[in-house]
Amino acid sequence: EVQLVESGGGLVQPGGSLRLSCAASGFTFSSYWMSWVRQAPGKGLEWVANIKQDGSEKYYVDSVKGRFTISRDNAKNSLYLQMNSLRAEDTAVYYCARAQRAAAAWFDPWGQGTLVTVSS
Amino acid sequence: SYVLTQPPSVSVAPGQTARITCGGNNIGSKSVHWYQQKPGQAPVLVVYDDSDRPSGIPERFSGSNSGNTATLTISRVEAGDEADYYCQVWDSSSDPVVFGGGTKLTVL
Repeated sequence: EVQLVESGGGLVQPGGSLRLSCAASGFTFSSYWMSWVRQAPGKGLEWVANIKQDGSEKYYVDSVKGRFTISRDNAKNSLYLQMNSLRAEDTAVYYCARAQRAAAAWFDPWGQGTLVTVSS
Repeated sequence: SYVLTQPPSVSVAPGQTARITCGGNNIGSKSVHWYQQKPGQAPVLVVYDDSDRPSGIPERFSGSNSGNTATLTISRVEAGDEADYYCQVWDSSSDPVVFGGGTKLTVL
């Protein structure tokens, strides 16, 4: 069974840092682009970042550029999101998702999400 | 940046057909994907590449895309279809992944 399991969320103060992890199983992790998508409470979906199979290409939404870093460890079948200089508007459930194709991709499946709350 | 516009809500009686639209400039030239999200759950892909269905998704779910509007059609709507639905495309001009604002489907 293809599965994605996120962890690492929690409560952090503004300006703080957090590292999210996503453990993948049931498929050849190193063969897929991977992504992070977030959803603020009561709001819609917002794409955050993508990473190529070998980590050589990374893309970010403008609002997190310079603050967030996506990475992966194919040996550990794991995806990461390092979040620095966190702001209240980063509060959201963060989902990892497998991207099907390099371009014009859809996301399937998604993990169950991990909640990040940025508040003092 | 590219913008996808969805109606905030759509209501339909059980057994009827629900149509959820996703508007965007020349969206017919892009591949559109649709997700269903029930309360407290992660999104689930229901249609990809405009009109293809993943395995396990009922044939009642279908999609079309032309001109400036893509449409997700749910036939013979059931109470279990009540959820938020999001369209998504890739756009090379700005942020590569764009989601619509979502549509809440209410089954009356």
